[in-house]
Parts: sequence; structure tokens; C-alpha cells
Amino acid sequence: AQKVTQAQTEISVVEKEDVTLDCVYETRDTTYYLFWYKQPPSGELVFLIRRNSFDEQNEISGRYSWNFQKSTSSFNFTITASQVVDSAVYFCALSEGGRNTDKLIFGTGTRLQVFP
Amino acid sequence: EAGVAQSPRYKIIEKRQSVAFWCNPISGHATLYWYQQILGQGPKLLIQFQNNGVVDDSQLPKDRFSAERLKGVDSTLKIQPAKLEDSAVYLCASSYNRNTEAFFGQGTRLTVV
Repeated sequence: AQKVTQAQTEISVVEKEDVTLDCVYETRDTTYYLFWYKQPPSGELVFLIRRNSFDEQNEISGRYSWNFQKSTSSFNFTITASQVVDSAVYFCALSEGGRNTDKLIFGTGTRLQVFP
Repeated sequence: EAGVAQSPRYKIIEKRQSVAFWCNPISGHATLYWYQQILGQGPKLLIQFQNNGVVDDSQLPKDRFSAERLKGVDSTLKIQPAKLEDSAVYLCASSYNRNTEAFFGQGTRLTVV
């Protein structure tokens, strides 16, 4: 069965601290896609990154970086030098390729609060 | 580029009433999704369209929920009759094609009292 686990329900940090959001997934497919989305208070889900199962290279985009490790079925997200504007709920999601549907299976989210 | 448009933003209805939500996806996007997000949870797919055909509606409560995407562009999601447990945010998303990133609208927050 497909499943995404985000064990951290809520994280609070002070501005400029680094923070890592954990994501562990389960799937039996060899082809799949992993995503991170940000949900600010306005409610819209903002796409951050998409990674396919054959690309284990880590990625950096500004203050954001992602660590994909198939050996541990994890796709963790790090924010360096956090800012108040990073406060939001962050969702990790899984989509299985090769199937009729490419629906996103979401974790329960991690609420990040960054205090000034 | 305009994003995914949804209306209304908020809706309050009594149980057993009916309600409809509207979504206009990003121009040129063939795939359209409706997700239900209950407070404190991640979104859950209700239905996926590819152009105007249904790809996946396995988690749609078909006794009360219906959706259509006429002409493969905008879409409506209807609930009739509503139950208290239908209180949630209904998110519409679209993607250029399957297995590409999905872009979400701001959602419709439904409260059933």
C-alpha cells in the first residue's frame, strides 16, 4: 500500500535557524514521484519540488534543499536560515507512475512556525 | 499566467442541502483534480479527469457527490445531500499532463451545520 508519513506534527524555530522536515514513504512501485508542497494560511498549495524515483541527486534551490534516499525511503526537506515567511504547513506527497491514475498521496503535514 | 480559479471561497449550508463548487484550471492543462482536505489532514483525491474523461473516482462517495468537466475545461463538483462530515476544504488542481506537477487553487471552505 502507498503511504506517506510525516512524523513531525509541528515545529517551532527562531528566525535564521536551520530546520529539517522529515518524510518517509511506502510504495511497491519502482517508478514513482515525490513532491513537497507548502500551504500558507491563504490555503493554496504551492508546489516546491518534484523528484522521480530514478533521480537520487540531492537538490538545492536557494535556502531550500532536499535529500532523497531510496535506501531509507525518505525525502527530507531542509530550510536554511529560516524566515518568518516560511511559516506554513508543509506536505510531502507520493505519486505512482505507470498507473492509470497519478493521484497525489499526501502525508498529514508538518506545521512550521518561525518566530522573529 | 493565471492560476487555478475556484469559487466560492467560503460556503455555509445546513445538512441535507445541496452545494456546488466551480473550478477553472490553468489554460491548456489537460488533467484536473478535485481533492478534499479535512482539517488537520492532508488532501485526499476525490476525482481525476483527463480532458473530459474520468481517470479515477474510486474515492468519490458517489451516492452524494458528483463531478463533471464538460468540454474538457472547467469543472463543477456537487454534493447532494450534504452531511456534517463533508465539512472540509475542497481543492481543485490542474496539471499540463499526467505525472507533471499539479497547481492548486485556493480552495472552497465548506461548513455544514
